[in-house]
Amino acid sequence: GESVGLHLPTLSVQEGDNSIINCAYSNSASDYFIWYKQESGKGPQFIIDIRSNMDKRQGQRVTVLLNKTVKHLSLQIAATQPGDSAVYFCAENTRRNQGGKLIFGQGTELSVKP
Amino acid sequence: GAGVSQSPSNKVTEKGKDVELRCDPISGHTALYWYRQSLGQGLEFLIYFQGNSAPDKSGLPSDRFSAERTGGSVSTLTIQRTQQEDSAVYLCASSAEPGLSTDTQYFGPGTRLTVL
Repeated sequence: GESVGLHLPTLSVQEGDNSIINCAYSNSASDYFIWYKQESGKGPQFIIDIRSNMDKRQGQRVTVLLNKTVKHLSLQIAATQPGDSAVYFCAENTRRNQGGKLIFGQGTELSVKP
Repeated sequence: GAGVSQSPSNKVTEKGKDVELRCDPISGHTALYWYRQSLGQGLEFLIYFQGNSAPDKSGLPSDRFSAERTGGSVSTLTIQRTQQEDSAVYLCASSAEPGLSTDTQYFGPGTRLTVL
């Protein structure tokens, strides 16, 4: 069935380094992608989104890249800080056919070492 | 402003009992979603309400699960005859208007359900 998955379940980085979290999706009809950050005991927090008519979008210290050819999504975090430690989920949506519901990947746990 | 709120934050129940979980969406948001997150897993879609349209119930795992949204605002997720496999964190989200550029889903803190 349709799925969104992550290449790496865990990622450990040194404070100040850049982090890259990857995600693969299988539904070629997906047209909207989102990254969420979830800290322990909290609900997912929106980080950044991108639509299928774009291949790159930048936010504050974060960049999302979309490669539709290989159905790959990545989240880049610049100058990673201890506060960035959390589980990161990618999610996709096919608005035309599925309304607003999101399909989530399994998550990558980011650990930042001071 | 106030975000999505959920209650209770934790619920422990015995197998076979019914439970009700509540979600208060962000004021003015027309869409409301329920997801389930099992330990160490991603989020699994359950049900979606949009305005006065019929809800999308395609993610409900069994007929023991039901949800309603009264007055286009508060929603209640009901699980009847709970089973141990129902143990999970139940998350609610709301968005302003799906299909438009401002339809980011904002999540509540979740209700952790434990079925003994």
